Amino acid sequence: EAGVTQSPTHLIKTRGQQATLRCSPISGHTSVYWYQQALGLGLQFLLWYDEGEERNRGNFPPRFSGRQFPNYSSELNVNALELEDSALYLCASSAWTAQPQHFGDGTRLSIL
Amino acid sequence: QQQVKQSPQSLIVQKGGISIINCAYENTAFDYFPWYQQFPGKGPALLIAIRPDVSEKKEGRFTISFNKSAKQFSLHIMDSQPGDSATYFCAAMTTDSWGKLQFGAGTQVVVTP
Repeated sequence: EAGVTQSPTHLIKTRGQQATLRCSPISGHTSVYWYQQALGLGLQFLLWYDEGEERNRGNFPPRFSGRQFPNYSSELNVNALELEDSALYLCASSAWTAQPQHFGDGTRLSIL
Repeated sequence: QQQVKQSPQSLIVQKGGISIINCAYENTAFDYFPWYQQFPGKGPALLIAIRPDVSEKKEGRFTISFNKSAKQFSLHIMDSQPGDSATYFCAAMTTDSWGKLQFGAGTQVVVTP
């Protein structure tokens, strides 16, 4: 069974640009979660999507947004990129609410 | 503020020894406590998880101990192997904030041959 897949593996952007990160959940999983892993800040919850709807949001500004598609894949959009957005962005999926979350290997976003 | 406090920050243990990582929390609404293992360049992998109605759970060489009254839980890695060298994260989640795992800061474990 394929795990959670994320693309691209690495993404280099400059300040002010926009970034789009993609995630395909494990087959059969309907919930998708996004986390930011920044140096010194640990793993921070960003967003949770289930059945195409945003269900919960962490303490991040509105320029962090996303969506979930009918096939349950998801994308995370970050607008007006700032240097502090440099981090590993991790996607996780679960079979449904309250089930264990399984992570992909992340997208490394570097802001120059 | 960090809702889950994890210690130690790093740990060196000899092959065959026991690695112990501790986590403490304040929010009594937490009712799901997973542990994740992360290797460099990889995402966190779910190791083992526990709910508050159980005081201990064992899977292979990994054991979670849970003390509800003290609001603490710990991971014990028995017979530590060099392949266990990784960063370990504890986490917690509440039923009224589904999806939002709150992570500890992580413990880097190094197992020497």
